[in-house]
Amino acid sequence: GENVEQHPSTLSVQEGDSAVIKCTYSDSASNYFPWYKQELGKGPQLIIDIRSNVGEKKDQRIAVTLNKTAKHFSLHITETQPEDSAVYFCAASRNDYKLSFGAGTTVTVRA
Amino acid sequence: DAGITQSPRHKVTETGTPVTLRCHQTENHRYMYWYRQDPGHGLRLIHYSYGVKDTDKGEVSDGYSVSRSKTEDFLLTLESATSSQTSVYFCAISESGGDEAFFGQGTRLTVV
Repeated sequence: GENVEQHPSTLSVQEGDSAVIKCTYSDSASNYFPWYKQELGKGPQLIIDIRSNVGEKKDQRIAVTLNKTAKHFSLHITETQPEDSAVYFCAASRNDYKLSFGAGTTVTVRA
Repeated sequence: DAGITQSPRHKVTETGTPVTLRCHQTENHRYMYWYRQDPGHGLRLIHYSYGVKDTDKGEVSDGYSVSRSKTEDFLLTLESATSSQTSVYFCAISESGGDEAFFGQGTRLTVV
């Protein structure tokens, strides 16, 4: 099955700086790569996703890049704000309706 | 927020007892999933359903069973709870499978 590795496990950034989280996947047939944000006591919420026919996608301060050859994808958050503090999960999926998640990155934005 | 309700939200149970967690959706989505979340492991798929009475196993299905008799309800049962099943359980739904999944608020289960 699919194996998704996520780094780093924790990330502390100064408010206004950028944050980058990287994930690698093992199954070359994976074609859907979402990113979820989980705040304390809540369920994960989708913040951005990308499909295998696209190399980059951006939504305001958040961007995701995908390198299919190297089988890795990354989340970029620019101009970080205190409300960006949360746990972020990457995931990968083939067309078999099952998401495989990374272990998560705890992001702390220092004021 | 997507219309997903998990019940109960918190439960403490004893080893060896049966436990059933319920997920109810009002979105009429075809796919429903049960995940467990543990530190250092992210979310791991237990079972999923792709229609009424259509279910399949995920990567950590041992010790769990599921049922889906109606589109809106997906039940997760621990036949005989063990301490290793102490976890936070999340239900998720999606309309078309390989697409955005919406998660419930989670159920924190403690097996003592």
